[in-house]
Amino acid sequence: EVQLVESGGGLVQPGGSLRLSCAASGFTFSDHYFDWVRQAPGKGLEWVGRIRNKANSYITEYAASVKGRFTISRDDSKNSLYLQMNSLKTEDTAVYYCARVIGTGRGWFDPWGQGTLVIVSS
Amino acid sequence: QSVLTQPPPASGTPGQKVTISCSGSNSNIGSNSVHWYQQLPGTAPKLLIYSNNQRPSGVPDRFSGSKSGTSASLAISGLQSEDEADYYCAAWDDSLNGWVFGGGTKLTVL
Repeated sequence: EVQLVESGGGLVQPGGSLRLSCAASGFTFSDHYFDWVRQAPGKGLEWVGRIRNKANSYITEYAASVKGRFTISRDDSKNSLYLQMNSLKTEDTAVYYCARVIGTGRGWFDPWGQGTLVIVSS
Repeated sequence: QSVLTQPPPASGTPGQKVTISCSGSNSNIGSNSVHWYQQLPGTAPKLLIYSNNQRPSGVPDRFSGSKSGTSASLAISGLQSEDEADYYCAAWDDSLNGWVFGGGTKLTVL
């Protein structure tokens, strides 16, 4: 079964850091791009960023709202994706989803992980 | 304020047909494919329609998508109670160099 499982969410103070993980199984992880998408409580979906595969030099791209603060990385040997979040703000409070990209850069997300909740509050 | 515009709520009775619109611009829908995601209450989003009008295996043919110019639509025919969910459109934006989503449409089956 193709599956993505996020972990690492929790409560963190403004200005703090947190690292999310996304463990993949059931497919060839190294072939794919991966994206992070977040959803603030009661709000819609917001794209956070993506990491390409090795064939595309592991290039990363970020939304303007997180650029310079968030870093996406991956470890193909561990079938894992990561989101390092620094200088966290209250507006970063959200459920964070990882998603596999089908196709190339403009492909669709399938599947999504179950999400992990990050709360930024003092 | 979302880059793609969707009507906030939509509703219908069992068996009816409902259409959800998604309006964008030349830099997103006008240039790229639209994908639709369904989010059932308390769960993660799930792929519903990809590349404007393609259904993944397992998605009933009651769901269909279309695109024209800078707008797209999701149609749900033969509405069922289990279709109650939030529906999101998404497209790559060439100007922003990233994905943009609609604000989501909450569908209620009366």
